[in-house]
Amino acid sequence: AQTVTQSQPEMSVQEAETVTLSCTYDTSESDYYLFWYKQPPSRQMILVIRQEAYKQQNATENRFSVNFQKAAKSFSLKISDSQLGDAAMYFCAGVYSGAGSYQLTFGKGTKLSVIP
Amino acid sequence: SQTIHQWPATLVQPVGSPLSLECTVEGTSNPNLYWYRQAAGRGLQLLFYSVGIGQISSEVPQNLSASRPQDRQFILSSKKLLLSDSGFYLCAWKGSTETQYFGPGTRLLVL
Repeated sequence: AQTVTQSQPEMSVQEAETVTLSCTYDTSESDYYLFWYKQPPSRQMILVIRQEAYKQQNATENRFSVNFQKAAKSFSLKISDSQLGDAAMYFCAGVYSGAGSYQLTFGKGTKLSVIP
Repeated sequence: SQTIHQWPATLVQPVGSPLSLECTVEGTSNPNLYWYRQAAGRGLQLLFYSVGIGQISSEVPQNLSASRPQDRQFILSSKKLLLSDSGFYLCAWKGSTETQYFGPGTRLLVL
């Protein structure tokens, strides 16, 4: 079974600054995928970024990047040049591709506030 | 491009009443479909998933059931709602990649 842990219930960042959200996971599988989802006040879950475990290169999507440390089982999200629209709940999640269901396991989330 | 719809967006129901939430996906074939529930201030809990028409797997024993009558339609139901069924219900689909994409969700309040 996989577990995903987000140890920061809340974070804040000044507009235009950089913030890093932490996530650790635990799995005995070798083939898995990790994700960060954003949940704004509308509550729709929006994919921010994904990382394949077999890739050593950290994923990047515009202002969003990850620091994937496979040995440490760490998967942090860095948001650069923070904008007011980045304020949301952020969920780290993982999936083991060998399971038929491709069930996502979510962390409990980090609430990010952006200070103007 | 693929889109996913859920309705209704908001629902207020009395205890003991039936429930039917619908999810449909456009622009893809034979997706995996998922129902999640999110209680207030908490993470997501997988309720059901389906890998094909008529194939439903339940992750959590509860007052709810799911059905998949068509390839791109997923329905969440209950015969008698409980107060504890209140929450935010999200449907998601997965295609050929490992990524799940979520619908806009349904807010359910049971009174």
